[in-house]
Amino acid sequence: AQSVTQLGSHVSVSEGALVLLRCNYSSSVPPYLFWYVQYPNQGLQLLLKYTSAATLVKGINGFEAEFKKSETSFHLTKPSAHMSDAAEYFCAVRPSEAGGYNKLIFGAGTRLAVHP
Amino acid sequence: GAVVSQHPSRVICKSGTSVKIECRSLDFQATTMFWYRQFPKKSLMLMATSNEGSKATYEQGVEKDKFLINHASLTLSTLTVTSAHPEDSSFYICSAPQGTANEKLFFGSGTQLSVL
Repeated sequence: AQSVTQLGSHVSVSEGALVLLRCNYSSSVPPYLFWYVQYPNQGLQLLLKYTSAATLVKGINGFEAEFKKSETSFHLTKPSAHMSDAAEYFCAVRPSEAGGYNKLIFGAGTRLAVHP
Repeated sequence: GAVVSQHPSRVICKSGTSVKIECRSLDFQATTMFWYRQFPKKSLMLMATSNEGSKATYEQGVEKDKFLINHASLTLSTLTVTSAHPEDSSFYICSAPQGTANEKLFFGSGTQLSVL
């Protein structure tokens, strides 16, 4: 069984400040982990993914995440927030087996607000 | 990159009518597509897996007769909400995996359904 917990449904930061969105997972098998971003009334866009290669994963728009097996975490960070980063962010987990997207589980999401 | 097109983006209908939502893979073939439902400020919940040329696989608790899925070609899956009621109002999103091992997942832009 798998599950994802995103700590904090709302995060607010100042423009230029560090962004830290937390994600913890549980999985009985080696997982693949994802961060997606959703802008209002749009579908999801992939920010980055961990697929058992490097534990520090760099994504688009300056975001990165680190897979920490000992902490079962996959937190998303960005050194300096931009106003355009305001959106809903979803962490997701699926088994590493081929074709495992039918078992993709999403966290509840974290809404990031960026203020001037 | 691969694109998944979803139409309509927004639909308002009267209670008791049926609504069809289309999901197309524009530059790749998709033997499988996924349909999700997203409630306001909530995460995405997988409703069903659409399989080209065969019956869809529904998740537990999803009514097959209420949410009809057809995947008649390698680039098109449709979700029909039959006899819609206000409680069916939601944001519906489709996605399609791509790649030799379906290693990438692309999302449509979503459909906001409002049933009056």
